[in-house]
Amino acid sequence: AQTVTQSQPEMSVQEAETVTLSCTYDTSESNYYLFWYKQPPSRQMILVIRQEAYKQQNATENRFSVNFQKAAKSFSLKISDSQLGDTAMYFCAFMKTSGTYKYIFGTGTRLKVLA
Amino acid sequence: DSGVTQTPKHLITATGQRVTLRCSPRSGDLSVYWYQQSLDQGLQFLIQYYNGEERAKGNILERFSAQQFPDLHSELNLSSLELGDSALYFCASSPPRNEQFFGPGTRLTVL
Repeated sequence: AQTVTQSQPEMSVQEAETVTLSCTYDTSESNYYLFWYKQPPSRQMILVIRQEAYKQQNATENRFSVNFQKAAKSFSLKISDSQLGDTAMYFCAFMKTSGTYKYIFGTGTRLKVLA
Repeated sequence: DSGVTQTPKHLITATGQRVTLRCSPRSGDLSVYWYQQSLDQGLQFLIQYYNGEERAKGNILERFSAQQFPDLHSELNLSSLELGDSALYFCASSPPRNEQFFGPGTRLTVL
């Protein structure tokens, strides 16, 4: 069975600094996608970034980038130049791309950006 | 704006009552998912529909049921409500084998 683990329940970072959120997963699938979602205080779930497992290049979206280590089953999110608006809960998610539905969320990391 | 709409935004009701939450997916998305998020908790997957048919079931209570209609909107029915059912209920939709897009959620309060 697939699992997604976020081992950091809470983190904080100073404004303008860089922070890395960790995510590990376990699967026997070879084809899958990984995602990071952000949930700000408004509680809206917002897709931050996605990574296809078959792509070796790490995904980047502006200040957000991932470090995808397929062999280690690790998928960390790096936020550069942190802004107050980055304060949110961040969820890592796994989706298999074959067979029946399997979309699994981690338990989340609460990130607070300090002024 | 994700393109997924949910109504109502807020719902306050009493224990033992029944409510219906509604979701309209993004245009063209055939899959609809329902999640429950209790206060400061993660997302609990409830159920998925694809083009009107149930595709997968998660931790959905027997008191809860859902359906997806021919126009692809979906409804989640919660009955015999208990205090512990108070939560944020999300609907999400997706194209095949792709990321989910979430609606704004319905906040249910059971008094």
